[in-house]
Amino acid sequence: EVQLVESGGGLVQPGGSLRLSCVASGFTFDNYAMSWARQAPGKGLEWVSGISYNGGGTYYADSVKGRFTISRDNSKNTLFLQMNSLRAEDTAVYYCAKNPVRALLPFDYWGRGTLVTVSS
Amino acid sequence: QSALTQPASVSGSPGQSITISCTGTFSDVVHDNYVSWYQQHPGKAPKLIIYDVINRPSGVSNRFSGSKSGNTASLTISGLQPEDEADYFCSSYTSSTTVGFGGGTKLTVL
Repeated sequence: EVQLVESGGGLVQPGGSLRLSCVASGFTFDNYAMSWARQAPGKGLEWVSGISYNGGGTYYADSVKGRFTISRDNSKNTLFLQMNSLRAEDTAVYYCAKNPVRALLPFDYWGRGTLVTVSS
Repeated sequence: QSALTQPASVSGSPGQSITISCTGTFSDVVHDNYVSWYQQHPGKAPKLIIYDVINRPSGVSNRFSGSKSGNTASLTISGLQPEDEADYFCSSYTSSTTVGFGGGTKLTVL
């Protein structure tokens, strides 16, 4: 059974940093691309970032480019999202999602999400 | 502002069929067959229900079907059931390396 478990969310002040983690199980992690998506309270989904199966390719939404960094540790089946220079509009539930082998779509499995709140 | 446009809400009675549209610019919805659809119940994570325009993952009811015409993709749910009441999101590439979601459609089963 595929499982994705996010952690690392919390309350952070504007301008601060946070690192999210997503531990994967139930599939061969290093065979698949992975992504982060987010959902602001009461709003729709927004794709944030994606990474290729070996970490060689990283992709970002314009809204986070230059502030967020996606990475992965295939030896630990873990996906990361380093978030710097956080803004109020980054407040959202952040989901980790599994992708196909060599594509960013679809998101065939999702974690339960971790809440990030940016507020003073 | 979402890259893909969906109606904010649709409704139907049990047993009826409904269709949710997802309209994009010429370059994202039309030129590839990577449109996917997600169902999200309140407080839950999204769930993939259609991928590559028309395909259903294993375990998803055959009451869900997808199609595409021109620059509009569509999700049809036939034989509506109370548990189908949820938010539905479409997704597609917006460039060769970025992904967009529609704004979401709230389905109400009357």
